[in-house]
Amino acid sequence: GESVGLHLPTLSVQEGDNSIINCAYSNSASDYFIWYKQESGKGPQFIIDIRSNMDKRQGQRVTVLLNKTVKHLSLQIAATQPGDSAVYFCAEIPYSSASKIIFGSGTRLSIRP
Amino acid sequence: GAGVSQSPSNKVTEKGKDVELRCDPISGHTALYWYRQSLGQGLEFLIYFQGNSAPDKSGLPSDRFSAERTGGSVSTLTIQRTQQEDSAVYLCASSSWTAGWNSPLHFGNGTRLTVT
Repeated sequence: GESVGLHLPTLSVQEGDNSIINCAYSNSASDYFIWYKQESGKGPQFIIDIRSNMDKRQGQRVTVLLNKTVKHLSLQIAATQPGDSAVYFCAEIPYSSASKIIFGSGTRLSIRP
Repeated sequence: GAGVSQSPSNKVTEKGKDVELRCDPISGHTALYWYRQSLGQGLEFLIYFQGNSAPDKSGLPSDRFSAERTGGSVSTLTIQRTQQEDSAVYLCASSSWTAGWNSPLHFGNGTRLTVT
């Protein structure tokens, strides 16, 4: 809800520009990764996912890149729109346990008109 | 509906009272999760149900918290003798086990609990 992420890092982007949101994951055994978008007052919304045997996956206006060497995940949003304003966070799921999902703390994306 | 449904959307209760939060997962999803999201915090795992297996309760913060899932579908999270620190948004998520590990969690919009 709107109380999420009061002290989150914020990325401010001009409308129409591309946004890149980064996430460092912690568990080298994680083999499935998800990006979520959370708008004020709503639950997290699935954006895109990627398996560990891939290094790139594209969706509509979004691309996820996975660098397993440095345990880094990024979300690229093309032609950022006002409706993209939200908190974005990554999730990593280790093969060993579907309940041990690790969620990132999130980044707030702010769009400048 | 097509998504995860949670009720109530908001709940205000007095300290010491019991509350029940309900989650209707997506039809056919065998995995169900409860998370808590506090002010300025990330998602805190509470409990995980998978089919007929024993639930993973390792995230429940105290014995005042319990959850059940009836018939492999609807789940209820119960908090007894609520405390002010229980105030948070409680999120439910479900996923399809049939696709194995490559199954994203789909979240409801949560129940905002305020303990006065």
